[in-house]
Amino acid sequence: DAGITQSPRHKVTETGTPVTLRCHQTENHRYMYWYRQDPGHGLRLIHYSYGVKDTDKGEVSDGYSVSRSKTEDFLLTLESATSSQTSVYFCAISDLAGQGPLSGNTIYFGEGSWLTVV
Amino acid sequence: SQQGEEDPQALSIQEGENATMNCSYKTSINNLQWYRQNSGRGLVHLILIRSNEREKHSGRLRVTLDTSKKSSSLLITASRAADTASYFCAASNSGNTPLVFGKGTRLSVIA
Repeated sequence: DAGITQSPRHKVTETGTPVTLRCHQTENHRYMYWYRQDPGHGLRLIHYSYGVKDTDKGEVSDGYSVSRSKTEDFLLTLESATSSQTSVYFCAISDLAGQGPLSGNTIYFGEGSWLTVV
Repeated sequence: SQQGEEDPQALSIQEGENATMNCSYKTSINNLQWYRQNSGRGLVHLILIRSNEREKHSGRLRVTLDTSKKSSSLLITASRAADTASYFCAASNSGNTPLVFGKGTRLSVIA
């Protein structure tokens, strides 16, 4: 298994409170991602990072911010949690394999963080 | 970014039967990947097929890619109860573009 640790694994929080989820990797992979998974929607990309301090938005970035100050850590912050952010959050990592048009980017996932906003 | 769309949404078969899942995508790709997710766990990479390949095997898995139809299929032969999971495809047109996943196919293998 890829060395990816998510914390906390389970959290219940109240609406309006800030929440930070942490993803820690030991693989020294360049790319890190945060996805959320909800019934009927599958996996949706929130934010991703392509290097230290380099991040970009995904499909569902509103209400979320991220930071990556070290290669191994990627933090996802909900500044003011809402009930619609109740979800399972997955961190993932990848690195480029190969060069040019035949390169591949196999993704390795963490075990997930279950967040409930009440 | 690309998005793969899996079909069917759900599939229920008897142990020992073959299971076939399909994936469609919209534009040109460099590669297409299949992932598996057991209930309550993260996704696990199964197989990657590149745009210049037509078929690839890994154990009981067989993946085909038809770039003219923009489609791929995942065949699991001689299925087992342990194959019960959700299966996702993700198409990529660049090595540094985040993968976008569909909603997956939920496979139930009944013993």
